[in-house]
Amino acid sequence: DAGVIQSPRHEVTEMGQEVTLRCKPISGHDYLFWYRQTMMRGLELLIYFNNNVPIDDSGMPEDRFSAKMPNASFSTLKIQPSEPRDSAVYFCASSPRDLLYGYTFGSGTRLTVV
Amino acid sequence: QQQVKQSPQSLIVQKGGISIINCAYENTAFDYFPWYQQFPGKGPALLIAIRPDVSEKKEGRFTISFNKSAKQFSLHIMDSQPGDSATYFCAARGPDDKIIFGKGTRLHILP
Repeated sequence: DAGVIQSPRHEVTEMGQEVTLRCKPISGHDYLFWYRQTMMRGLELLIYFNNNVPIDDSGMPEDRFSAKMPNASFSTLKIQPSEPRDSAVYFCASSPRDLLYGYTFGSGTRLTVV
Repeated sequence: QQQVKQSPQSLIVQKGGISIINCAYENTAFDYFPWYQQFPGKGPALLIAIRPDVSEKKEGRFTISFNKSAKQFSLHIMDSQPGDSATYFCAARGPDDKIIFGKGTRLHILP
């Protein structure tokens, strides 16, 4: 298995633009998580899905953030409009139904909003 | 109550020494405590994990010690090597299946 695949690896965009981050989870995993990592706040859970259904989006910072999982093999995290304070590394992670196997993280997308 | 507090923020250890990272939690409903290791430019990777009905778990040079009554757990890295230099996160899972991460410890092993 290729693991969790995220794209793009790096994104530089201007303030006000729409940004879409993409994630392909490991085949057969039931859970998908979006995290944001910054030096100040560490790893923050933004939203997670179980069997493509959003379960908890309480970590999504503002209405500018939205996430979808149209099928078991693809998810997007969208920021519209983007702001400089959204600059961070965004990670996608997936997990099988038995969470005791832990999450498998992707390599992340480093977002810079200028 | 959903927090996991991790210390120290950074740690420097001589090669061959023991690295110790500590975590504390408040929520007694947490039922799974993993540790993750992250190298620069990579996502965190599961290193070792423990359930609260076990007081210690060892995998190679890595050991988790768990004190349920004190609501504390720690990671010990024996015979620390330069390749262990990374950021380490403790974490805990709640009944809602969410895993909450500590703020991380930057470990540097001196050659």
